[in-house]
Amino acid sequence: DTVLTQSPALAVSPGERVTISCRASESVSTRMHWYQQKPGQQPKLLIYGASNLESGVPARFSGSGSGTDFTLTIDPVEANDTATYFCQQSWNEYTFGAGTKLELK
Amino acid sequence: QVTLKESGPGILQPSQTLSLTCSFSGFSLSTYGMCVGWIRQSSGKGLEWLANIWWNDDKYYNPSLKNRLTISKDTSNNQAFLKITNMDTADTATYYCARDSSYMDYFDYWGQGVMVTVSS
Repeated sequence: DTVLTQSPALAVSPGERVTISCRASESVSTRMHWYQQKPGQQPKLLIYGASNLESGVPARFSGSGSGTDFTLTIDPVEANDTATYFCQQSWNEYTFGAGTKLELK
Repeated sequence: QVTLKESGPGILQPSQTLSLTCSFSGFSLSTYGMCVGWIRQSSGKGLEWLANIWWNDDKYYNPSLKNRLTISKDTSNNQAFLKITNMDTADTATYYCARDSSYMDYFDYWGQGVMVTVSS
């Protein structure tokens, strides 16, 4: 299995820039995708193919990376960005990271 | 407008077989490249991909669960199905179906999920 490692939690203030990382145990090329999940809701696609913004997602969200190291950036962070963010790879079957819980100060 | 909705029994006993239905609209599973997947989420294991079924009836299973999973579809009625045999308390989770419409294999639309509890 390709294991995806994410930091468990982050806390930032509104208006700041935040980067959420995802490291793969082996190269996944650019087959990395990011989702946002708010409590009680289903995941929502934000970024696909490492850096492509899904239609309708605010341009405050961006993604970068290739190979094993990937980043989701939110700039600036807004209050309603409080959520858990998951990465998912589709290069070697499909696996998800454990999620990074973003809290606002 | 693309929508998906899962349905299932809610609760079942250990060793029983779980049958889930995904009813969707706004796309067709007969369209080239289209796919529906099943993913589950439990507090202990996060998000876990289970299986995919493609427009051409190709099926792809999580190797760790492959022996217990069967995915199928009814294209004419816009439904996909998942069966999991020999359910255990560890299979208690919210089960989602989601659409995969790209060669890059990401899930662009998700259902709201259905909670399944395995308990004696």
